Amino acid sequence: SYELTQPPSVSVSPGQTASITCSGDKLGDKYVCWYQQRAGQSPVLVIFQDSKRPSGIPERFSGSNSGNTATLTISGTQAMDEADYYCQAWASTTVVFGGGTRLTVL
Amino acid sequence: EVQLVESGGGLVQPGGSLRLSCEASGFAFSFYEMNWVRQAPGKGLEWVSHISSNGITTYYADSVKGRFTISRDNAKNSLYLQMNSLRDDDTAVYSCARESSAYDQGGFDRWGQGTRVTVSS
Repeated sequence: SYELTQPPSVSVSPGQTASITCSGDKLGDKYVCWYQQRAGQSPVLVIFQDSKRPSGIPERFSGSNSGNTATLTISGTQAMDEADYYCQAWASTTVVFGGGTRLTVL
Repeated sequence: EVQLVESGGGLVQPGGSLRLSCEASGFAFSFYEMNWVRQAPGKGLEWVSHISSNGITTYYADSVKGRFTISRDNAKNSLYLQMNSLRDDDTAVYSCARESSAYDQGGFDRWGQGTRVTVSS
């Protein structure tokens, strides 16, 4: 079965840039979405089709996808961005989520 | 306002059954594909099942195939998940999630708050 691999944790200082990776076999051939889940809340879609931002998502969130790796980049990270982030892709007739990355804003 | 409200969770013994419901409002439910996603305590997101807008096409995660059945009633703006032969590792918060209709594979753009299912003797 298809798997997506994320680092368990990433730390960033306020105002700096955070990058969260998601790896999978030929992932660049698929569309990747990213979700933010703050503690105790439901997930929120922050990136779809690799790099598009839904309405209401700040411009500091961006995404890319090439080869075997997709990346979520948060520029000028704020304290409110501290959350778990999940990548997601379709693999044939199944939906696959990465294991999640906890972003800590120190 | 788009709302997805799940219900039907609870405590059930291993081998038992539960039927979850998700009531949708604030959007044209019949035009959207829908999914169930679960999250075990302290764990990540796990996709469970997908259903097409007309209810004809369904997909399941291997972990629930043959035990869970997804369905919908567009006249009632409702999504369902019938869960049979429940196991300890089915314990999780189950959420319904709407798929974006504006883009191909546009992601799950709205989520419910979830309903908790606990499988334990």
